[in-house]
Amino acid sequence: AQSVAQPEDQVNVAEGNPLTVKCTYSVSGNPYLFWYVQYPNRGLQFLLKYITGDNLVKGSYGFEAEFNKSQTSFHLKKPSALVSDSALYFCAVRALRTNAGKSTFGDGTTLTVKP
Amino acid sequence: ETGVTQTPRHLVMGMTNKKSLKCEQHLGHNAMYWYKQSAKKPLELMFVYNFKEQTENNSVPSRFSPECPNSSHLFLHLHTLQPEDSALYLCASSQDSQITDTQYFGPGTRLTVL
Repeated sequence: AQSVAQPEDQVNVAEGNPLTVKCTYSVSGNPYLFWYVQYPNRGLQFLLKYITGDNLVKGSYGFEAEFNKSQTSFHLKKPSALVSDSALYFCAVRALRTNAGKSTFGDGTTLTVKP
Repeated sequence: ETGVTQTPRHLVMGMTNKKSLKCEQHLGHNAMYWYKQSAKKPLELMFVYNFKEQTENNSVPSRFSPECPNSSHLFLHLHTLQPEDSALYLCASSQDSQITDTQYFGPGTRLTVL
């Protein structure tokens, strides 16, 4: 079976501090990992993805994520949080050998950045 | 904006009504998707179309009927829905349905079934 876990429903950080939103996954074979952000009353916006190559992936709005195969994790990070980063964040995984390559999404993590 | 539009943005319907959701993508993509997003639940893939052909029906009840007349337009026809069908319905598109393709989402239609 294919699964994604976002262990924290809520993450609170102060503006200017680094942020981390955690994601772990379980698949058979090579994973393809994605992060999306959803603002209120909006659809999901793509942030970044890991397909192959460098384990550190840089994406939109200053976000980055590190693929860690041994820990089966793909945590989203940003060095300095902005109030405007407050939103709902989703991690998603795909794999050829499980779920026929279809996306499995995590439950989402609400990030709140306080001034 | 992502280049994927959805109409209407909000819809309230009774259980005996028939309505349709519309999605249009302006990205030149070949694959389109319907997702259901319910409160407290992860996104659920409903349907996948690739080059106008349905390639995935994720055990969706027949009261939801998709239609894809061309690669730019996708519809979801609704009839005799249940209150538990109330959710945000998201349309997405991607260049193709390859595993590495990024999906681009529309803003969604907030559906309430009374």
